[in-house]
Amino acid sequence: GEDVEQSLFLSVREGDSSVINCTYTDSSSTYLYWYKQEPGAGLQLLTYIFSNMDMKQDQRLTVLLNKKDKHLSLRIADTQTGDSAIYFCAESLSGGYNKLIFGAGTRLAVHP
Amino acid sequence: AAGVIQSPRHLIKEKRETATLKCYPIPRHDTVYWYQQGPGQDPQFLISFYEKMQSDKGSIPDRFSAQQFSDYHSELNMSSLELGDSALYFCASSSQGAATRTNEKLFFGSGTQLSVL
Repeated sequence: GEDVEQSLFLSVREGDSSVINCTYTDSSSTYLYWYKQEPGAGLQLLTYIFSNMDMKQDQRLTVLLNKKDKHLSLRIADTQTGDSAIYFCAESLSGGYNKLIFGAGTRLAVHP
Repeated sequence: AAGVIQSPRHLIKEKRETATLKCYPIPRHDTVYWYQQGPGQDPQFLISFYEKMQSDKGSIPDRFSAQQFSDYHSELNMSSLELGDSALYFCASSSQGAATRTNEKLFFGSGTQLSVL
C-alpha cells in the first residue's frame, strides 16, 4: 500500500542538529523527497535521494536512507530560526509518472 | 530561473459557484500535477497530465475536471463548490523522458488558496 509516516512535531534549540524521520511502505519507491513549507507558502524542494543511494549530503542537509527498513531521515546541522517550518517527506512511486505520496509533515520549532 | 506559476493566488467563492485555477509549468516541462492541501493536512494528489493527456488520477471529485493545453499550461475547473473544497491547491511540474519515462523531481508553485464561504 501507499503510506508515508512522520512524527508530527520536533522542537530543537538554535545551533543544535535536527533529525526528522520518515517511514514509507512502498518498496518500489524510486525517489524520496524532502519538502519544506513555511506558513502560508508553497512547497519548497529541499533535497531528494534515489532509492539506490544510502546517503546524500547537501550543505547543512544530510539525508539517510535505510531501504531495508524503509526509513528516511533528514538531518539539519546548525539549525537556525529560519528553519522553522513544516517538513514533508514524500515518495515517488514507480510507474513513470512521478505521483508523490506525502507524509503528514513534521512541524519543526527552533527556539533560542 | 522561471518557476511554476499559479493564478490566482487567492480566490474566494460561495457555495455552489464554480472556480478555475490556472497553472503555468516551468518551460520545457511536459508534466503537470495538481495537489490539494486542506488546513493542517498533507498535500493529496488529485490528477496529472503528461503531454496533454491525463496520466494519473487520484482523489479528485467528479465535480472537478482538469486539462492540459497545447502550451502545457493546465487548468483545474471546480464546479458546485462545497465548504470542504476550501484548501490550498498546488500545481507542480516536471520533465518526463519520453522514451525512458525517467522520473524527474517535481517543482511546486506557490499555490492557490481557495476559500469557499
